[in-house]
Amino acid sequence: GAGVSQSPSNKVTEKGKDVELRCDPISGHTALYWYRQSLGQGLEFLIYFQGNSAPDKSGLPSDRFSAERTGGSVSTLTIQRTQQEDSAVYLCASSLASTTRAAQHFGDGTRLSIL
Amino acid sequence: GQQLNQSPQSMFIQEGEDVSMNCTSSSIFNTWLWYKQDPGEGPVLLIALYKAGELTSNGRLTAQFGITRKDSFLNISASIPSDVGIYFCAGNFGNEKLTFGTGTRLTIIP
Repeated sequence: GAGVSQSPSNKVTEKGKDVELRCDPISGHTALYWYRQSLGQGLEFLIYFQGNSAPDKSGLPSDRFSAERTGGSVSTLTIQRTQQEDSAVYLCASSLASTTRAAQHFGDGTRLSIL
Repeated sequence: GQQLNQSPQSMFIQEGEDVSMNCTSSSIFNTWLWYKQDPGEGPVLLIALYKAGELTSNGRLTAQFGITRKDSFLNISASIPSDVGIYFCAGNFGNEKLTFGTGTRLTIIP
């Protein structure tokens, strides 16, 4: 498809398990972002990748959260030892380049529920 | 850190009415973006603003980048049922991560 693709769309898991969330950015977009949206809230920045540069991890809430981007395209967000407060919608976005005229385009997110 | 105050938090209007919402920031931005989010979907970009004072339209939507670079507004004219949803403002300054407002929930009363 032409847009940002995320999988799975929904994930239910038990507290303490690890989860992996996947993001396929728009083809040709060099910048990729992960955000988290709690129920009824705005979006909270997690991590940002731009080309081969070191990622901006300043938004990751704890060391249980990590992300990687292989080959400059697909990204995986991993949450280890999940906690109930990790329940949220995890949204991925991509943009053309790290410039001030590159609007971010979002996928539909992964709704994560921790039991 | 940066904070975005978005208002109003919610609006209840009748079909055909005009709508106005705004955002103010504690610091300046280089880019202001307006998104709409429907239930179960990701935010969809409505309007992007890149220059202080810029006024941009997209159909019935009009948005402006404030001269001070600390505020922006979004207007919707002649609202229709498909305008229902949550509207978010967002901004950034060079480092590309977006700071989002808390959203304006628009409801149309039959």
